[in-house]
Amino acid sequence: DVKVTQSSRYLVKRTGEKVFLECVQDMDHENMFWYRQDPGLGLRLIYFSYDVKMKEKGDIPEGYSVSREKKERFSLILESASTNQTSMYLCASSDGTGLGPLYEQYFGPGTRLTVT
Amino acid sequence: AQRVTQPEKLLSVFKGAPVELKCNYSYSGSPELFWYVQYSRQRLQLLLRHISRESIKGFTADLNKGETSFHLKKPFAQEEDSAMYYCALSPLIIQGAQKLVFGQGTRLTINP
Repeated sequence: DVKVTQSSRYLVKRTGEKVFLECVQDMDHENMFWYRQDPGLGLRLIYFSYDVKMKEKGDIPEGYSVSREKKERFSLILESASTNQTSMYLCASSDGTGLGPLYEQYFGPGTRLTVT
Repeated sequence: AQRVTQPEKLLSVFKGAPVELKCNYSYSGSPELFWYVQYSRQRLQLLLRHISRESIKGFTADLNKGETSFHLKKPFAQEEDSAMYYCALSPLIIQGAQKLVFGQGTRLTINP
């Protein structure tokens, strides 16, 4: 059973703080993704990674960076948190070999971040 | 640019009635389309994908390239179908990473 875990369910940070959101998957997946989920806007892709140390910008990368030093771990970094980054953040992973279920993405439970 | 539009933010139907959640997409290539579902207090999960032509939990979705639509249908709604539904399109594969573009989501409520 695929398991994607996120370090915190709820997080409250102050404006200007540096924030780290951690995601770990245990299925040896090549691909990992970070989304933010906002009512009325759906899920929007922030960054994704298809291999260790590789990253690609998604649709809304501004104000965010990522790190993938190990295959199982993908970190999202808010360099200087702002109130408009208050949101639910979802991590996902998928098999990149083409051998698994056709690139299905498996999601974590989410981190609700509040920036005050 | 790729875009997925779900015109209804909220949809409410009675138990036993037919359900149709609308999804329209904009993409110049040959799309791969999916429906994801999020039940209350659960994580987002794949419901079905168009390439599999499968029926999951009584739901089906047909890709209509002429109308650029991928509507989700179920003939008889059940209370456990109440959830948030997202339509998603995959426009790009980079090194095997299938990026997804999601619609805005439709919250479906089934009334008893």
